[in-house]
Amino acid sequence: GIQVEQSPPDLILQEGANSTLRCNFSDSVNNLQWFHQNPWGQLINLFYIPSGTKQNGRLSATTVATERYSLLYISSSQTTDSGVYFCAVDSNYGQNFVFGPGTRLSVLP
Amino acid sequence: EAQVTQNPRYLITVTGKKLTVTCSQNMNHEYMSWYRQDPGLGLRQIYYSMNVEVTDKGDVPEGYKVSRKEKRNFPLILESPSPNQTSLYFCASSLPHGEQFFGPGTRLTVL
Repeated sequence: GIQVEQSPPDLILQEGANSTLRCNFSDSVNNLQWFHQNPWGQLINLFYIPSGTKQNGRLSATTVATERYSLLYISSSQTTDSGVYFCAVDSNYGQNFVFGPGTRLSVLP
Repeated sequence: EAQVTQNPRYLITVTGKKLTVTCSQNMNHEYMSWYRQDPGLGLRQIYYSMNVEVTDKGDVPEGYKVSRKEKRNFPLILESPSPNQTSLYFCASSLPHGEQFFGPGTRLTVL
Protein backbone atom coordinates (compact mmCIF):
# COMPACT_ATOMS: atom_id res chain seq x y z
CA GLY A 1 0.00 0.00 0.00
CA ILE A 2 0.88 3.66 -0.14
CA GLN A 3 3.45 4.95 2.35
CA VAL A 4 3.31 8.41 3.91
CA GLU A 5 6.26 10.02 5.66
CA GLN A 6 6.38 13.32 7.52
CA SER A 7 9.28 15.44 8.65
CA PRO A 8 10.42 16.61 11.06
CA PRO A 9 8.85 14.37 13.70
CA ASP A 10 9.16 17.08 16.34
CA LEU A 11 9.58 20.83 16.09
CA ILE A 12 9.98 23.42 18.82
CA LEU A 13 9.60 27.08 17.90
CA GLN A 14 9.57 30.42 19.60
CA GLU A 15 6.37 32.40 19.12
CA GLY A 16 6.59 34.48 15.94
CA ALA A 17 8.87 32.08 14.06
CA ASN A 18 8.06 30.48 10.70
CA SER A 19 8.16 26.78 9.90
CA THR A 20 7.81 24.29 7.04
CA LEU A 21 6.43 20.78 7.48
CA ARG A 22 6.93 18.17 4.80
CA CYS A 23 4.86 15.17 3.67
CA ASN A 24 6.21 12.58 1.21
CA PHE A 25 4.04 9.86 -0.31
CA SER A 26 5.01 6.84 -2.32
CA ASP A 27 2.34 6.71 -5.05
CA SER A 28 -0.09 8.88 -6.99
CA VAL A 29 -3.06 10.16 -4.98
CA ASN A 30 -6.60 11.40 -5.51
CA ASN A 31 -6.71 13.40 -2.32
CA LEU A 32 -4.25 14.92 0.12
CA GLN A 33 -5.27 16.68 3.30
CA TRP A 34 -3.49 18.45 6.16
CA PHE A 35 -4.97 18.29 9.65
CA HIS A 36 -4.14 19.86 12.99
CA GLN A 37 -4.87 17.76 16.05
CA ASN A 38 -5.34 20.10 18.97
CA PRO A 39 -4.49 19.25 22.60
CA TRP A 40 -8.09 18.09 23.13
CA GLY A 41 -7.70 15.47 20.41
CA GLN A 42 -9.91 17.03 17.76
CA LEU A 43 -8.84 16.79 14.12
CA ILE A 44 -9.16 20.15 12.43
CA ASN A 45 -9.21 20.28 8.61
CA LEU A 46 -6.54 22.68 7.38
CA PHE A 47 -6.28 22.04 3.66
CA TYR A 48 -7.71 19.75 1.01
CA ILE A 49 -4.91 20.00 -1.53
CA PRO A 50 -4.32 17.12 -4.00
CA SER A 51 -2.29 19.56 -6.11
CA GLY A 52 -1.36 23.23 -6.31
CA THR A 53 -1.11 25.91 -3.64
CA LYS A 54 -3.63 27.26 -1.15
CA GLN A 55 -3.47 29.86 1.60
CA ASN A 56 -5.58 30.45 4.66
CA GLY A 57 -4.39 33.28 6.88
CA ARG A 58 -0.97 32.45 8.33
CA LEU A 59 -1.05 28.95 6.88
CA SER A 60 -0.38 27.88 3.34
CA ALA A 61 0.20 24.56 1.60
CA THR A 62 1.68 23.35 -1.63
CA THR A 63 1.39 19.90 -3.19
CA VAL A 64 3.61 18.83 -6.09
CA ALA A 65 1.80 15.67 -7.10
CA THR A 66 4.28 14.73 -9.84
CA GLU A 67 7.10 14.69 -7.28
CA ARG A 68 4.93 13.15 -4.54
CA TYR A 69 5.32 15.66 -1.77
CA SER A 70 3.40 18.37 0.02
CA LEU A 71 4.55 21.24 2.23
CA LEU A 72 2.68 23.06 4.99
CA TYR A 73 3.94 26.54 5.87
CA ILE A 74 3.15 28.20 9.17
CA SER A 75 4.14 31.85 9.47
CA SER A 76 4.30 34.00 12.60
CA SER A 77 3.53 30.99 14.78
CA GLN A 78 1.37 31.36 17.89
CA THR A 79 1.11 29.18 20.98
CA THR A 80 -2.32 28.03 19.76
CA ASP A 81 -0.59 26.44 16.76
CA SER A 82 0.85 23.79 19.08
CA GLY A 83 -0.30 20.23 18.51
CA VAL A 84 0.26 17.49 15.98
CA TYR A 85 0.03 18.09 12.24
CA PHE A 86 -0.99 15.17 10.06
CA CYS A 87 -0.82 14.66 6.36
CA ALA A 88 -3.19 12.03 4.93
CA VAL A 89 -3.65 10.71 1.41
CA ASP A 90 -6.23 8.79 -0.55
CA SER A 91 -4.52 6.42 -2.92
CA ASN A 92 -5.67 5.95 -6.50
CA TYR A 93 -5.72 2.23 -5.95
CA GLY A 94 -7.68 1.70 -2.80
CA GLN A 95 -10.27 3.08 -0.44
CA ASN A 96 -7.92 3.54 2.46
CA PHE A 97 -7.21 7.05 3.63
CA VAL A 98 -3.68 6.71 4.98
CA PHE A 99 -2.26 9.02 7.62
CA GLY A 100 1.37 9.96 8.06
CA PRO A 101 2.94 9.67 11.52
CA GLY A 102 2.56 13.38 12.20
CA THR A 103 4.78 16.31 13.18
CA ARG A 104 4.48 17.41 16.81
CA LEU A 105 4.81 21.21 17.01
CA SER A 106 5.41 23.09 20.22
CA VAL A 107 5.31 26.88 20.10
CA LEU A 108 6.82 28.52 23.17
CA PRO A 109 5.73 31.97 24.41
CA GLU B 1 -24.15 23.38 10.22
CA ALA B 2 -22.42 20.64 8.22
CA GLN B 3 -20.92 18.18 10.65
CA VAL B 4 -20.11 14.65 11.73
CA THR B 5 -21.34 13.74 15.19
CA GLN B 6 -20.28 10.85 17.41
CA ASN B 7 -21.77 9.53 20.62
CA PRO B 8 -20.75 8.97 23.27
CA ARG B 9 -17.72 11.24 23.46
CA TYR B 10 -16.30 9.40 26.45
CA LEU B 11 -16.98 5.85 27.61
CA ILE B 12 -15.53 3.62 30.29
CA THR B 13 -16.71 0.02 30.16
CA VAL B 14 -15.68 -3.48 31.19
CA THR B 15 -14.38 -6.41 29.19
CA GLY B 16 -17.08 -8.30 27.32
CA LYS B 17 -19.92 -5.77 27.62
CA LYS B 18 -21.24 -5.05 24.13
CA LEU B 19 -21.24 -1.42 23.09
CA THR B 20 -22.10 0.74 20.10
CA VAL B 21 -20.57 4.06 19.13
CA THR B 22 -22.87 6.03 16.86
CA CYS B 23 -21.80 8.23 13.96
CA SER B 24 -24.03 10.51 11.94
CA GLN B 25 -23.37 13.02 9.14
CA ASN B 26 -25.66 15.64 7.61
CA MET B 27 -23.74 16.30 4.38
CA ASN B 28 -25.31 13.55 2.24
CA HIS B 29 -21.90 11.89 1.87
CA GLU B 30 -21.68 8.43 0.33
CA TYR B 31 -18.41 7.51 1.98
CA MET B 32 -18.00 6.93 5.71
CA SER B 33 -15.26 5.31 7.74
CA TRP B 34 -13.96 4.58 11.22
CA TYR B 35 -10.44 5.06 12.55
CA ARG B 36 -8.67 4.39 15.79
CA GLN B 37 -5.74 6.38 17.12
CA ASP B 38 -3.16 4.88 19.44
CA PRO B 39 0.12 6.33 20.77
CA GLY B 40 3.02 5.30 18.58
CA LEU B 41 0.73 3.68 16.00
CA GLY B 42 -1.01 6.75 14.60
CA LEU B 43 -4.43 6.72 12.97
CA ARG B 44 -5.51 3.47 11.36
CA GLN B 45 -8.66 2.68 9.42
CA ILE B 46 -11.00 0.07 10.94
CA TYR B 47 -13.85 -0.16 8.41
CA TYR B 48 -15.22 1.92 5.60
CA SER B 49 -18.46 2.14 3.64
CA MET B 50 -18.83 3.39 0.10
CA ASN B 51 -22.61 3.58 0.32
CA VAL B 52 -25.68 2.08 1.99
CA GLU B 53 -25.29 -1.67 2.53
CA VAL B 54 -21.70 -1.57 1.20
CA THR B 55 -18.97 -1.99 3.80
CA ASP B 56 -15.41 -3.28 3.74
CA LYS B 57 -12.51 -3.92 6.08
CA GLY B 58 -9.77 -1.41 6.65
CA ASP B 59 -6.39 -2.11 8.21
CA VAL B 60 -7.50 -3.20 11.71
CA PRO B 61 -11.03 -4.68 11.56
CA GLU B 62 -10.60 -7.48 14.12
CA GLY B 63 -13.02 -7.20 17.03
CA TYR B 64 -15.30 -4.64 15.35
CA LYS B 65 -18.52 -4.73 13.34
CA VAL B 66 -20.26 -2.05 11.33
CA SER B 67 -23.52 -1.62 9.48
CA ARG B 68 -24.76 0.97 7.01
CA LYS B 69 -28.54 0.81 6.81
CA GLU B 70 -29.01 4.53 6.19
CA LYS B 71 -26.80 6.94 4.30
CA ARG B 72 -26.34 9.31 7.24
CA ASN B 73 -25.47 6.73 9.95
CA PHE B 74 -22.51 4.38 10.38
CA PRO B 75 -22.38 2.82 13.86
CA LEU B 76 -19.33 0.97 15.18
CA ILE B 77 -20.12 -2.12 17.24
CA LEU B 78 -17.82 -3.85 19.70
CA GLU B 79 -19.50 -7.18 20.46
CA SER B 80 -17.08 -8.19 23.21
CA PRO B 81 -14.70 -5.34 24.01
CA SER B 82 -11.23 -6.10 25.32
CA PRO B 83 -8.61 -3.83 26.94
CA ASN B 84 -6.61 -3.67 23.70
CA GLN B 85 -9.54 -1.78 22.16
CA THR B 86 -8.95 1.10 24.53
CA SER B 87 -8.34 3.93 22.09
CA LEU B 88 -9.49 7.22 20.59
CA TYR B 89 -12.00 6.56 17.81
CA PHE B 90 -12.89 8.84 14.92
CA CYS B 91 -15.67 8.65 12.38
CA ALA B 92 -15.31 10.43 9.04
CA SER B 93 -17.38 11.11 5.94
CA SER B 94 -16.75 12.41 2.42
CA LEU B 95 -17.82 12.36 -1.17
CA PRO B 96 -15.93 9.66 -3.14
CA HIS B 97 -12.23 10.66 -3.09
CA GLY B 98 -13.28 14.03 -1.74
CA GLU B 99 -12.34 16.02 1.35
CA GLN B 100 -12.80 13.95 4.52
CA PHE B 101 -14.58 15.47 7.51
CA PHE B 102 -13.98 13.99 10.94
CA GLY B 103 -16.15 13.76 14.01
CA PRO B 104 -14.95 15.00 17.42
CA GLY B 105 -13.72 11.58 18.56
CA THR B 106 -14.78 9.05 21.18
CA ARG B 107 -12.41 8.15 24.00
CA LEU B 108 -13.03 4.52 24.95
CA THR B 109 -11.52 2.79 27.95
CA VAL B 110 -12.08 -0.94 28.41
CA LEU B 111 -11.21 -2.22 31.88
